[in-house]
Amino acid sequence: DAGVIQSPRHEVTEMGQEVTLRCKPISGHDYLFWYRQTMMRGLELLIYFNNNVPIDDSGMPEDRFSAKMPNASFSTLKIQPSEPRDSAVYFCASSNSARRELFFGEGSRLTVL
Amino acid sequence: GEDVEQSLFLSVREGDSSVINCTYTDSSSTYLYWYKQEPGAGLQLLTYIFSNMDMKQDQRLTVLLNKKDKHLSLRIADTQTGDSAIYFCASAGDAGNMLTFGGGTRLMVKP
Repeated sequence: DAGVIQSPRHEVTEMGQEVTLRCKPISGHDYLFWYRQTMMRGLELLIYFNNNVPIDDSGMPEDRFSAKMPNASFSTLKIQPSEPRDSAVYFCASSNSARRELFFGEGSRLTVL
Repeated sequence: GEDVEQSLFLSVREGDSSVINCTYTDSSSTYLYWYKQEPGAGLQLLTYIFSNMDMKQDQRLTVLLNKKDKHLSLRIADTQTGDSAIYFCASAGDAGNMLTFGGGTRLMVKP
């Protein structure tokens, strides 16, 4: 079975540019999570969805961040405009409410210059 | 809210046992997890334990849970250099699938 698939794996962009990160969860999973990982702050939950509906977005840093899940097999995390402090590894994870095991993608490493 | 704490760093010699500790604050935590993160990779689920258990063994891994003290540990027997990674403890309650992660413990295994 394919795991959680994220793209791009690496992105380098300049301050002010729009960044879109993509995630395909594991088929049949009804929860999807976006995390951000930095050395300073560790692993932070940004937002999570249940059955494509955003449930808790209290971790989203500010209005520059937005996330969507138009269907059960796709989600995006958008940063507009990006800033150097957004540089981090962004992880998508999915789970099945019956099993409660969280499966992570390989992450998208974002560098904002 | 829930808080999960871990020590930052552990160094052991190859062949020794490693013990990584974790404490959590939410007494209603129902599921407790250990994840492993290798460099440049995502987090990989190693094992988990239900709160009604006090021990779980899986090959070289032993998880001990002291629910009274809200303390969880992961013991790796015969630690190998390939075990070098960051280990995250996480807890979850009954409602929903949201996990609270600790800050991670970096395990370094010296040959």
